[in-house]
Parts: sequence; structure tokens; C-alpha cells
Amino acid sequence: EAGVAQSPRYKIIEKRQSVAFWCNPISGHATLYWYQQILGQGPKLLIQFQNNGVVDDSQLPKDRFSAERLKGVDSTLKIQPAKLEDSAVYLCASSLDGPYEQFFGPGTRLTVL
Amino acid sequence: KQEVTQIPAALSVPEGENLVLNCSFTDSAIYNLQWFRQDPGKGLTSLLLIQSSQREQTSGRLNASLDKSSGRSTLYIAASQPGDSATYLCAEKYSSASKIIFGSGTRLSIRP
Repeated sequence: EAGVAQSPRYKIIEKRQSVAFWCNPISGHATLYWYQQILGQGPKLLIQFQNNGVVDDSQLPKDRFSAERLKGVDSTLKIQPAKLEDSAVYLCASSLDGPYEQFFGPGTRLTVL
Repeated sequence: KQEVTQIPAALSVPEGENLVLNCSFTDSAIYNLQWFRQDPGKGLTSLLLIQSSQREQTSGRLNASLDKSSGRSTLYIAASQPGDSATYLCAEKYSSASKIIFGSGTRLSIRP
């Protein structure tokens, strides 16, 4: 079974530039999550989708971050404009509906200079 | 505020020892608790998932327990090996629709 795919793996940009990350979840997984993991900390949920609807985006900085999940499959997360404090690993995860475990992709490491 | 705490932040033990990693949470009304492993530069790998109705789960040399009344979960690793070196994170979910809240992890190093 293929896992969660993410691209790119690494990205370096300057502050105030824009960046986008892509995630393709495990086939059949209705729930998709984007997390931000700052060095030395646990992941923090940014947004949770159920199919193509948003379940929780309470911790998403909506003035600069946006995410979409068209057709209930793959998803993109965008930052515009980026700030220095956005430097982190952005993790995508997916799961089946209900009390099931989450499966994570390898993440995208973003460095903002 | 719901929080998940993992102490210590780092742990180094010699190979072959049995060890326990700790996770504490502030709200005992949890839905499930999951333990993950994270290798440097990699994503998270799920190790064990304990539902609120369960007391423990086992997989190979790993055993995770859940004590809701005390707000604690432990991950027991038997006969540790250098390949067990990684960061171990616990994460709690408070309802079927709620977000997962992660601890900051315990960085484990197994000395050969």
C-alpha cells in the first residue's frame, strides 16, 4: 500500500515570498491533516479536512496560510507571504473516518531566510 | 487548556536495557492515545494506538499502557537496541472529531 506522498521535500525561500506544498493521502482515506512542526516541538495541527470540507482550522494563520482539498483527494497548503517564523517541517497525514490511526508523509522542510 | 507533556526531553541508555517513556495529559476524557516514532529528517511512524476503552496495546518489544484516572500513558521498550534511537511522541485525541494534540517528544539514544 502506498503511503502519504508530499512534495517538495525541501524548500528555501526569502521572507515575503510565496510557497506551496502538495500532499496526496493514502487511497480511501477521507480525513487529511496538515501539521506544522517547529524544531524541538511536537507537530501542531494547522487544518483538518473531512473529504473536501474543513473540520478544524482554528490554528491556521488565515492572514497568510491557505489550504484546499479539491475533489476530496490531494491537497495543497500555501503560505503568502512567508515570515521567518514559518521555518518548520510541514507534515501531511491521513486516516480513515473514525477512531483510526493517522499515517504521516515524510514532510516538507521549509527554511525562510 | 488541553496539554500533553513528555518528560524527560532526552534519554540515553545502554543497549539491552528495558525502558519506560512517559506521557501525561491534562484531560482524562480522552478518545484515544497514539504513540509515534520520528527519525531525524523523517515523518512520523505510528507505533501503537490505544482506544479509551483499552488499558494497553502491545506490538513486538513495545507495550503502551493507558491510565485515564491518573492522566498518564507509558511506552515500555524491552531489550532496547541501537535501532530504537529516535524521538518518541505521544498524541491525544479528545473526541472522534477533535484534533490531535502532541507532546514535544522524548529523544531516545541507545548506546551500543
